[in-house]
Amino acid sequence: EVQLVESGGGLVQPGRSLKLSCAASGFTFSDYYMAWVRQAPTKGLEWVASISYDGGSTYYRDSVKGRFSISRDNAKSSLYLQMDSLRSEDTATYYCTTDRDDGTPFAYWGQGTLVTVSS
Amino acid sequence: DIVLTQSPVLAVSLGQRATISCRASQSVSISSINLMHWYQQKPGQQPKLLMYRASNLASGIPARFSGSGSGTDFTLTIDPVQADDIAAYYCQQSRESPRTFGGGTKLELK
Repeated sequence: EVQLVESGGGLVQPGRSLKLSCAASGFTFSDYYMAWVRQAPTKGLEWVASISYDGGSTYYRDSVKGRFSISRDNAKSSLYLQMDSLRSEDTATYYCTTDRDDGTPFAYWGQGTLVTVSS
Repeated sequence: DIVLTQSPVLAVSLGQRATISCRASQSVSISSINLMHWYQQKPGQQPKLLMYRASNLASGIPARFSGSGSGTDFTLTIDPVQADDIAAYYCQQSRESPRTFGGGTKLELK
C-alpha cells in the first residue's frame, strides 16, 4: 500500500523558514517524480513544486521561485520542501504527492501538514 | 497559465445524476489524449484521484463515476449519487506547466 506521511508543519512568523518532510513507502520511490501541492484554508488546490527521479531537475510555481527548494533522498525514500522568507499567503496545508513527467495526474497523496504563517 | 472554471456548488438528490463541468481557457488535449483529471476531496481529508485523462477510472473507483470531454470542455458524472459522494470535486490539467486546478465544485444534497 502506498503511504506518504508529511511532517514539519506549524506556526511560523513571516520572513522565517520551515522545512517539510515526506516519508514514502509501499512503492519504488526512485521510479517517481514527486511534488508538493498546497491548499489554503477553505480554498482550492495549487501545485507548488516538482522534482525529477534523481533530483537533477526541479520545477516551481512563480510565486515560490527563489524562496522554496524541493529536494529528495532516494536512499531514505524521503521528499523535502525548504521554505524560506515565508509570507502570510503561504499559509496552507501542504500535500506530498507522486508525480510523473508524462502528463499523468497526481496519483497518490499524503494526509497533509498545515503551515501557518502569522505574527 | 491555463485557467479551469468550475461551478462552485451543485445540489443533487440521492439516487439522481450529478453532472460536474470544467471549462479550460485553452485546449488541454494533444491529438486524442485529453490531459484532464478529476479528484474527490471530503472534508478534512486529502484529495483522491477519481479519473485520469478525462475518461479513465482510477483504481478502486466505482463505476457510477464516469468522465467525458475533449479540448476545453469536460464533465464528471456521478449516477446514481450516493451519500458517500458528498464532497468537493476538482479538475486538473497536465497539458501545460504550471499544472493547474479548477476552483472546485462542492456537491451538496437538496
